[in-house]
Amino acid sequence: GAVVSQHPSWVICKSGTSVKIECRSLDFQATTMFWYRQFPKQSLMLMATSNEGSKATYEQGVEKDKFLINHASLTLSTLTVTSAHPEDSSFYICSARLAGAAEQYFGPGTRLTVT
Amino acid sequence: DQQVKQNSPSLSVQEGRISILNCDYTNSMFDYFLWYKKYPAEGPTFLISISSIKDKNEDGRFTVFLNKSAKHLSLHIVPSQPGDSAVYFCAATGGATNKLIFGTGTLLAVQP
Repeated sequence: GAVVSQHPSWVICKSGTSVKIECRSLDFQATTMFWYRQFPKQSLMLMATSNEGSKATYEQGVEKDKFLINHASLTLSTLTVTSAHPEDSSFYICSARLAGAAEQYFGPGTRLTVT
Repeated sequence: DQQVKQNSPSLSVQEGRISILNCDYTNSMFDYFLWYKKYPAEGPTFLISISSIKDKNEDGRFTVFLNKSAKHLSLHIVPSQPGDSAVYFCAATGGATNKLIFGTGTLLAVQP
């Protein structure tokens, strides 16, 4: 149980274009989903927290107009990187959490490369 | 301000021996702690957790110990297996936050 999927697993896009990453909880309903970013040899950096049906809460320093998050259902959250630049190249990971639980279950991650 | 610290960036252990991974935290409001295992280019996998009302939790080869007075927790893996080689992150949550605060990770290498 507690399986989270992400799509795509990797994507290459040109500078200036937008990329959408999907995060799905496959066997449970996730009231809260999180989006992280990981730089090489560094820890996970929380970007934003999204609750189903409401606006995402962004961490300090994360541009909400650049990283659009939508959590339209209890099993799906999307992250759209708008007007991507090479510095946005990174490994993006989502996680999902059951209501009332502390454990987060992570997706396999998406490798974004902006050329 | 690093609220969760893993001071050992790497650890090497022989197969069959015990692996001990350490984690320190500074925020006394944290009341729930978790360990995750991560392979390169994959998402973290939840391993084991412990509530602050306990000082030990065991699940198979994995045991987590919590010392609240020292604000220290450790993950013991015994016996260690080559497949355990990965980066291990400790994480903490509690107080007013529903976020997980992650440590910087420890790379465990289990030598055959």
